[in-house]
Amino acid sequence: QLQLQESGPGLVKPSETLSLTCNVSADSFSSRSYYWGWIRQPPGKGLEWIGNISYSGSTYYNPSLKSRVTMSVDTSKSQLSLKLSSVTVADTAVYYCARGVPITSGGAFSDIWGQGTMVTVSS
Amino acid sequence: DIQMTQSPSSLSASVGDRVTITCRASQSISSYLNWYQQKPGKAPKLLIYAASTLESGVPARFSGSGSGTTFTLTISSLQPEDFANYHCQQSHSLPFTFGQGTKLEI
Repeated sequence: QLQLQESGPGLVKPSETLSLTCNVSADSFSSRSYYWGWIRQPPGKGLEWIGNISYSGSTYYNPSLKSRVTMSVDTSKSQLSLKLSSVTVADTAVYYCARGVPITSGGAFSDIWGQGTMVTVSS
Repeated sequence: DIQMTQSPSSLSASVGDRVTITCRASQSISSYLNWYQQKPGKAPKLLIYAASTLESGVPARFSGSGSGTTFTLTISSLQPEDFANYHCQQSHSLPFTFGQGTKLEI
């Protein structure tokens, strides 16, 4: 059973860079049938799509965050990473990684999610 | 970006009730609509994708319908474990935006 596990600092200072990793168990990480997404959820609020990355490293970033986001994959470690620079208190959220499944007829969905990791931006 | 709007934002119901949550897109998204359930402190769980396809293992009391700009999630007979937050998400165009969520409570 595929599992995703986010990890990283729970506290980041304003203006610094938030760095998270997502470890992916099982073989699906190397499959070209999937992509990998990062989603966040501020306390008490809805979900926000940060971006996604394919096994080959092709990325899409939400335009609202594009200037500050970098995603990468480390296939040797079956690991994803997310970096968000110049953080502010507005970036305080639970950050999730998730497996994305494209649908042949169009669209996609995220079927497996990590448990999430809370990141607080505060001095 | 495509804006997704859910209604109601919160809903009180009882075990055994039939409930419907609506999700509207700011433009047509065909049937590229997903529904997730989220319990407090937990990650979202996929319920339905492509507007009406039930994810494996999800009880048949959950159903989805709609196309274009208006979609519904229906729970035919609420069970105690169904009290949670529900989110819709469009996958027609990146970024794959979510609705603001609907809190289903007793």
